[in-house]
Amino acid sequence: DQQVKQNSPSLSVQEGRISILNCDYTNSMFDYFLWYKKYPAEGPTFLISISSIKDKNEDGRFTVFLNKSAKHLSLHIVPSQPGDSAVYFCAAKSLGSWGKLQFGAGTQVVVTP
Amino acid sequence: DGGITQSPKYLFRKEGQNVTLSCEQNLNHDAMYWYRQDPGQGLRLIYYSQIVNDFQKGDIAEGYSVSREKKESFPLTVTSAQKNPTAFYLCASTGQGVDNEQFFGPGTRLTVL
Repeated sequence: DQQVKQNSPSLSVQEGRISILNCDYTNSMFDYFLWYKKYPAEGPTFLISISSIKDKNEDGRFTVFLNKSAKHLSLHIVPSQPGDSAVYFCAAKSLGSWGKLQFGAGTQVVVTP
Repeated sequence: DGGITQSPKYLFRKEGQNVTLSCEQNLNHDAMYWYRQDPGQGLRLIYYSQIVNDFQKGDIAEGYSVSREKKESFPLTVTSAQKNPTAFYLCASTGQGVDNEQFFGPGTRLTVL
């Protein structure tokens, strides 16, 4: 049973606009959430994370929002750039899980000129 | 440069043969992980190791084996018992601290003919 879900397999956005990626989770024990970006035939690279004690974390063009009551998080990319075209994975872990991550299925983002 | 290396990038094997995928890290990380990625799916955990000479099964360990004789190395063997071995395999590591993100290697594409 998938504990982390990304229900949108793809997203197309115009360059300069905002990209919003969504992620839902079912395990209430998750307390740390991460977003990874992945290009084809490469390993994922870490983008941004958020602890469950926060509801927002910002790093440059990337902002992650966490709504614990709804078990939902989102990644905002503003403004979107062509180099942002990639697959984005949401991941979560729980305290004491020794870093074991549960990943969503990913969202393919395409930024068009 | 510190990082994780996986070799080879592409690997072809005949059905019924065992094959070993290499993963080396020079980040001085204690924990290492093996994931598998299939099209349209997220990363699924195969095995992980928290310290040398110790490893644990992940969510899809059947048909795989690992060893952790050195801190830097965590090879994965795909055995003939793995029913659908063709996939993209990713190795990752993480340092101490519950909030540390996982760093990923570039991956190995295994194709079983």
